Amino acid sequence: AQSVAQPEDQVNVAEGNPLTVKCTYSVSGNPYLFWYVQYPNRGLQFLLKYITGDNLVKGSYGFEAEFNKSQTSFHLKKPSALVSDSALYFCAVRFLNGNNRLAFGKGNQVVVIP
Amino acid sequence: EPEVTQTPSHQVTQMGQEVILRCVPISNHLYFYWYRQILGQKVEFLVSFYNNEISEKSEIFDDQFSVERPDGSNFTLKIRSTKLEDSAMYFCASSEGSNSPLHFGNGTRLTVT
Repeated sequence: AQSVAQPEDQVNVAEGNPLTVKCTYSVSGNPYLFWYVQYPNRGLQFLLKYITGDNLVKGSYGFEAEFNKSQTSFHLKKPSALVSDSALYFCAVRFLNGNNRLAFGKGNQVVVIP
Repeated sequence: EPEVTQTPSHQVTQMGQEVILRCVPISNHLYFYWYRQILGQKVEFLVSFYNNEISEKSEIFDDQFSVERPDGSNFTLKIRSTKLEDSAMYFCASSEGSNSPLHFGNGTRLTVT
């Protein structure tokens, strides 16, 4: 079955420093991978996706993610974190059956310290 | 930018009662979904809906649950005979195509007492 793992619970980073949120995946076949962000009392917002092509995917708000097949990882990165990036970040993988069913990781709370 | 809207934002109900959670997907989207997030836990898939029928449902989506698109704009989730463990945040989502990113609403927080 398709699944993703987000090994950390909380990621603390100083404002201006690089931010990395880790995600590893376990899939049958080629993975469709996504990152979503959730701000307090809001729904999940799409950040970026990897389906095929370049391993480095650029998304919203200056975020990017690198697909690494050998390490089965899809870490989310931002070169310089902002306080407004503090939120809950979810990695997700799509099931192969074409119904756009996503399996989410448990989420990582990112805290950007001013 | 168009968005998915959900009502109500918070619903409190007594155990055993029926609730209907409402969603208005983005107007040109064809695929609709319900997910839920129990406090402090993962976001879980419930059901996907396309062409006026369920295309897939998870093991959570048992006979207690049903979905309906009663008109051209609304997409509802009905929970019959609610249980305490149904307390969660319920998110509606829609997508333009089967490979397109999901757009989520802000959720309905359901509290069953």
